[in-house]
Amino acid sequence: DQQVKQNSPSLSVQEGRISILNCDYTNSMFDYFLWYKKYPAEGPTFLISISSIKDKNEDGRFTVFLNKSAKHLSLHIVPSQPGDSAVYFCAAETGGGADGLTFGKGTHLIIQP
Amino acid sequence: NAGVTQTPKFQVLKTGQSMTLQCAQDMNHEYMSWYRQDPGMGLRLIHYSVGAGITDQGEVPNGYNVSRSTTEDFPLRLLSAAPSQTSVYFCASSYDGQTQYFGPGTRLLVL
Repeated sequence: DQQVKQNSPSLSVQEGRISILNCDYTNSMFDYFLWYKKYPAEGPTFLISISSIKDKNEDGRFTVFLNKSAKHLSLHIVPSQPGDSAVYFCAAETGGGADGLTFGKGTHLIIQP
Repeated sequence: NAGVTQTPKFQVLKTGQSMTLQCAQDMNHEYMSWYRQDPGMGLRLIHYSVGAGITDQGEVPNGYNVSRSTTEDFPLRLLSAAPSQTSVYFCASSYDGQTQYFGPGTRLLVL
C-alpha cells in the first residue's frame, strides 16, 4: 500500500502563475517531509523540506504547507518559470530519517510560455 | 567538492551476470543509501547505511548486496542479474539522515 501519494501524474501551468503540487500520506509516524525536483537523466535535487512541528516553510519562490490533521502537504511555486518544468517528488521519513525516504510517484510539472 | 558520484552511467548485462554499481561521496556524510526508480513507481529504497560497517535493508533488498567499509564508498552488488532489475539506480548521502543528496544515477538494462 502506497504511504505517500501524488495523485496528479502531470500538471500544466502558465508561466508567471502559481503552481500547486499536492501530496497525501497515510503513515502518521512520518515526521519530516521533503520535495525533490528531477530533470530527465539527472538525479533528484533537494528543493525544500518541512518538519511535522511546523505548518509552513518558505524558501524564495517555493513554499511548502503541511496539514497534519488531513495528512496533506503542498508545494507552491510563485511565480512559475520555464526552468521549473520537471518531475517533482514528495518524500517522507520517520525517526530522524536514518532508514531512508519514502517517495511518491511524482508529478510532471509543465510550465507553458 | 564533487558531491555524490556514481559509475558507470549506463550498463547492459545478460541475465545471470554479476556486477557492482559504484557510489562515492566526498562530503564526509555518515548516511548513505541506494534507491531504484522504475517507470510510474517513484523511488524505492534498496539498502541503506548509517555509518561505516553498518548496513540495513530497505523496501526492495532482494537480489542486492551492499557493504560499507569506508565512509566515502557504498557499492551495490547484483549477484545474478535478472530482467526485473532493469531500472535506474540512485545513490544518496546525508549528513543528518534527513535531507538526502543524490548522485546522477546508473541506468541498468538486463537482457
